[in-house]
Amino acid sequence: NAGVTQTPKFRVLKTGQSMTLLCAQDMNHEYMYWYRQDPGMGLRLIHYSVGEGTTAKGEVPDGYNVSRLKKQNFLLGLESAAPSQTSVYFCASNFLGRSSTDTQYFGPGTRLTVL
Amino acid sequence: GDSVTQMEGPVTLSEEAFLTINCTYTATGYPSLFWYVQYPGEGLQLLLKATKADDKGSNKGFEATYRKETTSFHLEKGSVQVSDSAVYFCALSPGAGSYQLTFGKGTKLSVIP
Repeated sequence: NAGVTQTPKFRVLKTGQSMTLLCAQDMNHEYMYWYRQDPGMGLRLIHYSVGEGTTAKGEVPDGYNVSRLKKQNFLLGLESAAPSQTSVYFCASNFLGRSSTDTQYFGPGTRLTVL
Repeated sequence: GDSVTQMEGPVTLSEEAFLTINCTYTATGYPSLFWYVQYPGEGLQLLLKATKADDKGSNKGFEATYRKETTSFHLEKGSVQVSDSAVYFCALSPGAGSYQLTFGKGTKLSVIP
């Protein structure tokens, strides 16, 4: 099992450019999440998905869109990148059973710089 | 809303020293509590968790006890190693089928030989 993988690992964009970050998991998890990590801010939830074809907003959704066309993939899009979106982006997934304490498994992160 | 407050770092300790990283939370209901660890250049990994009051989570020599009366979940280790150098995040899940984690800001630990 590869677990949770993210593509790309690094990216530099110019203001106004667009890009898509790909997250893939091979654990058959229903739930997937996108977080951003900024210095001194911890991790903040951008969007999440509770199953194929579903998405929902998290704490900081503005400027991002997501899609979950396949159960194993969760895409994060930036339509018009801004310097404020410079961050490290983490994808996570989990299988939610009866308990809400199921472990979230994280990918290795994508470091995005917007100039 | 829910929130997690953890001690600010960075924390620098000598090898074999005792570690405490404080974490307190604010939440309604009965949240579950977690400690995640992030090693340099990697994603987060679950270190330990506790799902109800007085539960003790433990893993790799780390421990934390869910204290409802003080709304705390402090992380402890009796003897740290250089390999424990990482950023540690306290987090909570509201429970009742919720899927969201609320994280603290993280505490960077450096252990020197």
